[in-house]
Amino acid sequence: DAMVIQNPRYQVTQFGKPVTLSCSQTLNHNVMYWYQQKSSQAPKLLFHYYDKDFNNEADTPDNFQSRRPNTSFCFLDIRSPGLGDAAMYLCATSEGPDRVTDTQYFGPGTRLTVL
Amino acid sequence: GEDVEQSLFLSVREGDSSVINCTYTDSSSTYLYWYKQEPGAGLQLLTYIFSNMDMKQDQRLTVLLNKKDKHLSLRIADTQTGDSAIYFCAEIGSGGYQKVTFGIGTKLQVIP
Repeated sequence: DAMVIQNPRYQVTQFGKPVTLSCSQTLNHNVMYWYQQKSSQAPKLLFHYYDKDFNNEADTPDNFQSRRPNTSFCFLDIRSPGLGDAAMYLCATSEGPDRVTDTQYFGPGTRLTVL
Repeated sequence: GEDVEQSLFLSVREGDSSVINCTYTDSSSTYLYWYKQEPGAGLQLLTYIFSNMDMKQDQRLTVLLNKKDKHLSLRIADTQTGDSAIYFCAEIGSGGYQKVTFGIGTKLQVIP
């Protein structure tokens, strides 16, 4: 089945220790997104890639970076995690804005704990 | 900016119908979505409706859209304990890349 996969499902890191979260997709979608979701809140878009073009949201902290080495993979790098970065990180994909509906399909998420 | 509002909590008895409501402000919304999130999991796309439709039915799910009032609802017939989850309403605007705006989510509790 075509899908969005996130690894690991649970990640524990120490305050200030860099961490990388991984997302892969078999849908061959052009767009990949990273969202941060804190408890009892809606997902908050951090950035997205449309193909190789990176689009950062204005309020995304510099501490968050992303890489997309190819169509299938996208990584979220948190350079110096703080306690406030503990959250669920959701990866999503969509076909692209030239489609009539750019429905987003989500992975299962990675729960990040910062000690 | 665009805003999507939902009530935070709904409790129903197993076998009853659940109705989850949502209001939005973006008059240029083209598609409106319902996502389901089970504890510790990602968002699962349940259904979506195009803005020129009034109703969409998919098995136990019925989506009603009142575009004039910018009101969207999700009805779940014969609610089961497995339907317990958080339900997110979301909307996307028209033309090119548009950011999806999510509501805060409605937590549905199904009582056996």
